[in-house]
Amino acid sequence: GENVEQHPSTLSVQEGDSAVIKCTYSDSASNYFPWYKQELGKRPQLIIDIRSNVGEKKDQRIAVTLNKTAKHFSLHITETQPEDSAVYFCAASRNSGYALNFGKGTSLLVTP
Amino acid sequence: DAGVTQSPTHLIKTRGQQVTLRCSPISGHKSVSWYQQVLGQGPQFIFQYYEKEERGRGNFPDRFSARQFPNYSSELNVNALLLGDSALYLCASSSLSAQETQYFGPGTRLLVL
Repeated sequence: GENVEQHPSTLSVQEGDSAVIKCTYSDSASNYFPWYKQELGKRPQLIIDIRSNVGEKKDQRIAVTLNKTAKHFSLHITETQPEDSAVYFCAASRNSGYALNFGKGTSLLVTP
Repeated sequence: DAGVTQSPTHLIKTRGQQVTLRCSPISGHKSVSWYQQVLGQGPQFIFQYYEKEERGRGNFPDRFSARQFPNYSSELNVNALLLGDSALYLCASSSLSAQETQYFGPGTRLLVL
């Protein structure tokens, strides 16, 4: 089955700096790659996603890049703010509606 | 629009007992998936249902079962609870037009003593 590895497990940055979280996946048939943000005690919230026919996608301060050949994708957060502090999960899945396979998460701390 | 809702929010059970968790998807969504999130880990896929039929099952024992009702709400049942079943159980729903995009509910936190 699919194996998603996520690095780093913890990340501490100063407010205004950029943060990068990287994931690799094993199943070459995976074609959908979402990122979720989970604050303490809250539900995972979808923040951005990318499909395999696209190499990069941006939404304001957040961007995701995908390298299908190398089977890795990354989340980039620019101009970080304290409210960006949370656990971020990457995931991968095949086709429509199949199971999401999650990484183990990255705990991001943005200090003022 | 209301998001995905789950009940109860918290539950305490003892080993060997049975539990039923409930989920209502976003209005118009016909697909429901269940995930188990152990503290400090990413969610793990348990089941997916679409139009009341099971579409996928993760690597969980037969003690775990689920069903989807005509109104697309869903129940997750866990029998013969073990201490290791203590976790946050998340439900996610998705629409027909974008089935891979899953929106999560707040979860049910289950503690097995």
